[in-house]
Amino acid sequence: EVQLVESGGGLVQPGGSLRLSCEASGFTFSRDSMNWVRQAPGKGLEWVSYISYTGLTIYYADSVKGRFTISRDNARNSLFLQMNSLRAEDTAVYYCARDFYDFGIDYWGQGTLVTVSS
Amino acid sequence: EIVLTQSPGTLSLSPGERATLSCRASQSVSSSSLAWYQQKPGQAPRLLMYGASSRATGIPDKFSGSGSGTDFTLTISRLEPEDFAVYYCQQYGGSPPWTFGQGTKVESK
Repeated sequence: EVQLVESGGGLVQPGGSLRLSCEASGFTFSRDSMNWVRQAPGKGLEWVSYISYTGLTIYYADSVKGRFTISRDNARNSLFLQMNSLRAEDTAVYYCARDFYDFGIDYWGQGTLVTVSS
Repeated sequence: EIVLTQSPGTLSLSPGERATLSCRASQSVSSSSLAWYQQKPGQAPRLLMYGASSRATGIPDKFSGSGSGTDFTLTISRLEPEDFAVYYCQQYGGSPPWTFGQGTKVESK
């Protein structure tokens, strides 16, 4: 069974940093590209970042470019999102999500809530 | 950036009725890049359709997708209680950013 378990969310002040982690199991993590997608409270979905299975291809949404860094450790079956210079508008549930052969996103974690507030 | 506009914002229907959801793109989208998701309160999204018209694993055939270019449609042939949820389209796999529509809420009348 595919499982994606996020951790690392919490309350942080504007301008602060946070590192999200996602532990994957139930599939060969090193063969699949991954994404982070977020959802602000009561709002729709926003794609945040993508990393290929090798880690060599990385994309970001303009809203986070230069502030967030996606990475992965295939030996530890883990995906990460380093978030710096956080803003109130970054407040959201952050989902770790698996790429489905460039057609979509087929598995999602349960999400971790990041709240940016003073 | 490709903007996806979903309509209507809310669809009020009764169980057994047919639901037709629209997703319109600001520029042409490859059919292989159009996906649909269902999200229920407090849950993560679930992939329903990919490639505009292919059902994801385990998705019943009451769900169907169609369209090309800038106009795509998700149809639920006969609504059941578990189908009342929010539905999102997404263009994915082409040039990023990979945007979502704002969602259509299907609610019980």
